[in-house]
Amino acid sequence: EAGVAQSPRYKIIEKRQSVAFWCNPISGHATLYWYQQILGQGPKLLIQFQNNGVVDDSQLPKDRFSAERLKGVDSTLKIQPAKLEDSAVYLCASSGGSFEQFFGPGTRLTVL
Amino acid sequence: QKEVEQDPGPLSVPEGAIVSLNCTYSNSAFQYFMWYRQYSRKGPELLMYTYSSGNKEDGRFTAQVDKSSKYISLFIRDSQPSDSATYLCAMSASSNYKLTFGKGTLLTVNP
Repeated sequence: EAGVAQSPRYKIIEKRQSVAFWCNPISGHATLYWYQQILGQGPKLLIQFQNNGVVDDSQLPKDRFSAERLKGVDSTLKIQPAKLEDSAVYLCASSGGSFEQFFGPGTRLTVL
Repeated sequence: QKEVEQDPGPLSVPEGAIVSLNCTYSNSAFQYFMWYRQYSRKGPELLMYTYSSGNKEDGRFTAQVDKSSKYISLFIRDSQPSDSATYLCAMSASSNYKLTFGKGTLLTVNP
């Protein structure tokens, strides 16, 4: 069974630029999560989708972050404009209806 | 007070040692307790989970939950260099499966 795919793996941008990350969950998994993991911290949930509907986006900085899940499968997370404090690893995870979440390798973002 | 507290370490032990990793929590709604292992530049992977107080064993790993004290532990017996990673505790209330993570403890097992 293929795991969660994410791209790109690494991205370096300047502050105030835009960036987008892509995630393809495990086939058949209805729930998709985006997490932000700052160096030395645990992952923090940004947004949770159930199929293509948003379940929880309470910790998503909506003035600069946006996310969508196309047809309940792939998802993109966008930051516009980026700030220095957005430097982190962005993790995508999916689950098939239980607490067990499967994580992708993450996208490491550096904002200069 | 953070919902989940975890000593970030780092922790360095010799091969074969018994390792104890711990987390405390403040939210009584947490019902599921998990330990994830995260190797450098990889995503977290689920190591063990439990939803009741007591011990759960899986090979060299034992997860322990004490709901009355709001305290969970992960024990690693006969630690190996391949166990070197960051260990994250995570918790969820049964209603929404949303995970709240600890900061993670960086473990190094020296050969």
